[in-house]
Amino acid sequence: QKEVEQNSGPLSVPEGAIASLNCTYSDRVSQSFFWYRQYSGKSPELIMSIYSNGDKEDGRFTAQLNKASQYVSLLIRDSQPSDSATYLCAGGNGWGKLQFGAGTQVVVTP
Amino acid sequence: GAVVSQHPSWVICKSGTSVKIECRSLDFQATTMFWYRQFPKQSLMLMATSNEGSKATYEQGVEKDKFLINHASLTLSTLTVTSAHPEDSSFYICSAPSGGMEAFFGQGTRLTVV
Repeated sequence: QKEVEQNSGPLSVPEGAIASLNCTYSDRVSQSFFWYRQYSGKSPELIMSIYSNGDKEDGRFTAQLNKASQYVSLLIRDSQPSDSATYLCAGGNGWGKLQFGAGTQVVVTP
Repeated sequence: GAVVSQHPSWVICKSGTSVKIECRSLDFQATTMFWYRQFPKQSLMLMATSNEGSKATYEQGVEKDKFLINHASLTLSTLTVTSAHPEDSSFYICSAPSGGMEAFFGQGTRLTVV
């Protein structure tokens, strides 16, 4: 089993709708989690971090962590064409070392 | 957020030559930096952990003699791909934690070996 797993997509979302991304992780992944956005040919950009159970909201983004289910999710509200990218879920060891999922490609259609 | 600068952003080299990639933390000190590699349509794979003043820690399957890492100061880590071959062509990305649990990434280096 991979340590961080994501559905690779692509996830097609109409403009203005909510994009829902999911990620599961194994016991060996530590308890800090991150969502990165990566445009083609570019480096990942941190959009959300979450460390404790529950929801965390930042603008149009909401991350949710459920440690009992080993599940972390990301919602993107009011999706825009500029949100079209690959979203990477990552688990961290607390010192910046990250293990990435395969990434979910999101395509926002006008 | 903290700024990590990587240079060069792209490089083309001939097979058999060596290439050096630099990773700098511009506004913070980093005793640890991380080097990742990303092949097309794949995710980032951790290659090694660069430790200031000591040897790097390599992930399983990564050849330490081929991918030389030097972390000589608190703001600079270098990755040298030695005797590069076409299969080493990839996107190399460094990251550094700025003191918290978050890591900030450099711009990445696109290496093409011809």
